[in-house]
Amino acid sequence: DQQVKQNSPSLSVQEGRISILNCDYTNSMFDYFLWYKKYPAEGPTFLISISSIKDKNEDGRFTVFLNKSAKHLSLHIVPSQPGDSAVYFCAAVAGGTSYGKLTFGQGTILTVHP
Amino acid sequence: NAGVMQNPRHLVRRRGQEARLRCSPMKGHSHVYWYRQLPEEGLKFMVYLQKENIIDESGMPKERFSAEFPKEGPSILRIQQVVRGDSAAYFCASRTGSGNSPLHFGNGTRLTVT
Repeated sequence: DQQVKQNSPSLSVQEGRISILNCDYTNSMFDYFLWYKKYPAEGPTFLISISSIKDKNEDGRFTVFLNKSAKHLSLHIVPSQPGDSAVYFCAAVAGGTSYGKLTFGQGTILTVHP
Repeated sequence: NAGVMQNPRHLVRRRGQEARLRCSPMKGHSHVYWYRQLPEEGLKFMVYLQKENIIDESGMPKERFSAEFPKEGPSILRIQQVVRGDSAAYFCASRTGSGNSPLHFGNGTRLTVT
């Protein structure tokens, strides 16, 4: 039972353009969401998070949007850079549980072409 | 400030042997989590520990797997009588435990069972 889904296994974008990575969830108990980036042979690195009381959070080139009614969130990267090429994981935390107990999506491989 | 340290990076075991994976959390972090990533999948929560206590082991297989975080020394994930299906990347993560502080991951241990 995949409670967090990233339906696009891969995404290819030109340098300087916007990258939009999508994530859907099914568990209405999720109230905190995070995005992690992962390079090969390394652990995931935290990028940005959003609480369910907000619908947008911005940090530099990264913006996360949350649509609670649609149970959907997205990560926008503007402008995209070749160094952004990595696997991006969406993750969620259920209310009342530890903020370290994450439910991850399967990941989306982002490739940014120079 | 050193990050989360995991060793070994690669571990090869024959079926039936034991695997011991070690994790030293970031300095100042008292909350440790173990995750497993099977091929082509996202990370899956296994266990959450604080010093000398298992807080949540709901993601641990019922048999052959155990984890500890002793008063002194690293956290250990132990897999007894390994089988081929245990082959995966095992990631340790830590956080301070305050508020919604994010998880910081180590670079993982890649276990191969032959």
